[in-house]
Amino acid sequence: DARVTQTPRHKVTEMGQEVTMRCQPILGHNTVFWYRQTMMQGLELLAYFRNRAPLDDSGMPKDRFSAEMPDATLATLKIQPSEPRDSAVYFCASVRDRGSTDTQYFGPGTRLTVL
Amino acid sequence: AQSVTQLDSQVPVFEEAPVELRCNYSSSVSVYLFWYVQYPNQGLQLLLKYLSGSTLVKGINGFEAEFNKSQTSFHLRKPSVHISDTAEYFCAVSDKTGGSYIPTFGRGTSLIVHP
Repeated sequence: DARVTQTPRHKVTEMGQEVTMRCQPILGHNTVFWYRQTMMQGLELLAYFRNRAPLDDSGMPKDRFSAEMPDATLATLKIQPSEPRDSAVYFCASVRDRGSTDTQYFGPGTRLTVL
Repeated sequence: AQSVTQLDSQVPVFEEAPVELRCNYSSSVSVYLFWYVQYPNQGLQLLLKYLSGSTLVKGINGFEAEFNKSQTSFHLRKPSVHISDTAEYFCAVSDKTGGSYIPTFGRGTSLIVHP
């Protein structure tokens, strides 16, 4: 049963610390999305990659957030320095990308709390 | 860019009653429509999708949705809900933009099923 995995599932950190979240997309999926979910804003698209290349990161605060795909099996989202307003659940999703008809498969999320 | 409006932020209903969760989207030439469900502390998972053809789409767990082009709506229905259907439901729309798949999600509707 193929699924997207995310680590860690929970992270509590102090303001100013670096946070790294990891995502392993489903094998064979070539498009990866990062989302942030909060009560206030709902589900926001932060960035996405296709064939490991970043296509759009306009939803991400550039001064502190960065997203990369070092290889086809790993996507990372880093926050440095973290701030309390970054507290949210961060989801990764992958798609086989046979077109816009494809289903997104979501990971279980990383719940980040910045104190 | 597409926009999605989920008219109800919360829908309380009694077990075995019918339910409808409403979704409207901004008009576009060609859209694909999705409903996802998010159970507590989990990622989103696909309930059903409309790509083309029959406007009535059947999904998992007894849910169905009807695409209405003239009203730009894609409402989700279930004739008899169970306690286990308590979850957050997201409507999403996508079109082909820049050769990749970029979905837009609604703010979500919390379905609360009471015994």
